[in-house]
Amino acid sequence: DIQMTQSPSSLSASVGDSVTITCQASQDISKYLNWYQQKPGKAPKLLISDASNLETGVPTRFSGSGYGTDFTFTVGSLQPEDIATYYCLQYDNLPLTFGGGTKVEVK
Amino acid sequence: DVHLVVSGGGLVRPGGSLRLSCAASGFTFDTHAMNWVRQAPGKGLEWVSAISASGGSTYYADSVKGRFTISRDNSKDSLDLQMDSLTAEDSAVYYCAKDRGSFPGGGLDYWGQGTLVTASS
Repeated sequence: DIQMTQSPSSLSASVGDSVTITCQASQDISKYLNWYQQKPGKAPKLLISDASNLETGVPTRFSGSGYGTDFTFTVGSLQPEDIATYYCLQYDNLPLTFGGGTKVEVK
Repeated sequence: DVHLVVSGGGLVRPGGSLRLSCAASGFTFDTHAMNWVRQAPGKGLEWVSAISASGGSTYYADSVKGRFTISRDNSKDSLDLQMDSLTAEDSAVYYCAKDRGSFPGGGLDYWGQGTLVTASS
């Protein structure tokens, strides 16, 4: 199974700050990585697909990059509505595997 | 718009069974693989099972293999998960999720609202 190591597990930042989350895969997964946002009591929402493709309707302050084993997710200017837990997902191989999540809070 | 409505959760005794259903609309159901993903209370996301668009291929996490059965009815745009021999470790919110491909591995784009399954005596 491919292990996804996501860091940090939590972070606190101020409105307007840039926030970066990383995911490292235990083996090469090419570009096959998604980023999701999950708010309490809600289903995950897809923000970024294929490592760097911004989904339609998702604000441009969200971005993703990376290829192979190392991936980065960035919120360019944190907004109050961005308070959530973020997950990466690799879909290069079954079983699909998720990162452990990053809980983002506003200072 | 894509809609996935999950039903069938509830409280069940350890060792018991439960069947979850997911009703799909807003897309061509029989051209997309479908998945079940679960989330234990306060924990992260865990992929459980997937089925190809035709229903001819099924896939399971090791943790549920031999106890859970995924199926679909393309004439009714519906997805099911039959869960047998449930244990406390199966307690979670269960989500159905649409795959972008006809086989699992296209990435999950839309998710249903989830249903809570609790296995407890």
